[in-house]
Amino acid sequence: QKEVEQNSGPLSVPEGAIASLNCTYSDRGSQSFFWYRQYSGKSPELIMFIYSNGDKEDGRFTAQLNKASQYVSLLIRDSQPSDSATYLCAVNPGANNLFFGTGTRLTVIP
Amino acid sequence: GAVVSQHPSWVICKSGTSVKIECRSLDFQATTMFWYRQFPKQSLMLMATSNEGSKATYEQGVEKDKFLINHASLTLSTLTVTSAHPEDSSFYICSAGSRRAYEQYFGPGTRLTVT
Repeated sequence: QKEVEQNSGPLSVPEGAIASLNCTYSDRGSQSFFWYRQYSGKSPELIMFIYSNGDKEDGRFTAQLNKASQYVSLLIRDSQPSDSATYLCAVNPGANNLFFGTGTRLTVIP
Repeated sequence: GAVVSQHPSWVICKSGTSVKIECRSLDFQATTMFWYRQFPKQSLMLMATSNEGSKATYEQGVEKDKFLINHASLTLSTLTVTSAHPEDSSFYICSAGSRRAYEQYFGPGTRLTVT
């Protein structure tokens, strides 16, 4: 069973704060990990992907991967109201497809 | 780059009719395309994976005779919902795999309402 777990939230942070989104996965053989942002009524948009242990930074976003703990996170610095959305964690177990978590709903309060 | 389009963006049909949804990769060749369904406040559910020139692989519980998938070229895949019923009303989203097929880029989705 390839499971991807996320806290459904909602997670509320004030504008300018750091939002921390977490994801755990069950398949230890998973090779690549993705964070998607989905606004209400829209399709997911790829934000970041990470393959190696450690941190990967892209602008205000930092993805963190710890394969030993089977844990991947997304940090959003200087959160903006426009960051309010549902964030989906996705895991590639080595085949061509992705397994998605149920998503965490983030609200950034102005 | 990595732009995926879907058509139509929304459709309303009567129960018993069939609806075709197109998914196109506009600026890259996608050997693999994926079809998802999303009900309100739920996550994406993979319906099937289609590879160009071969039959689609359906996920458990998805009726292949009801959801017909054709992947005729490297840039086009179609999903036909046959004999649609109100319970088929959902948000249908396709995605296309890049050269690294596990990087998926999503189309804008098609909202289907069956009355």
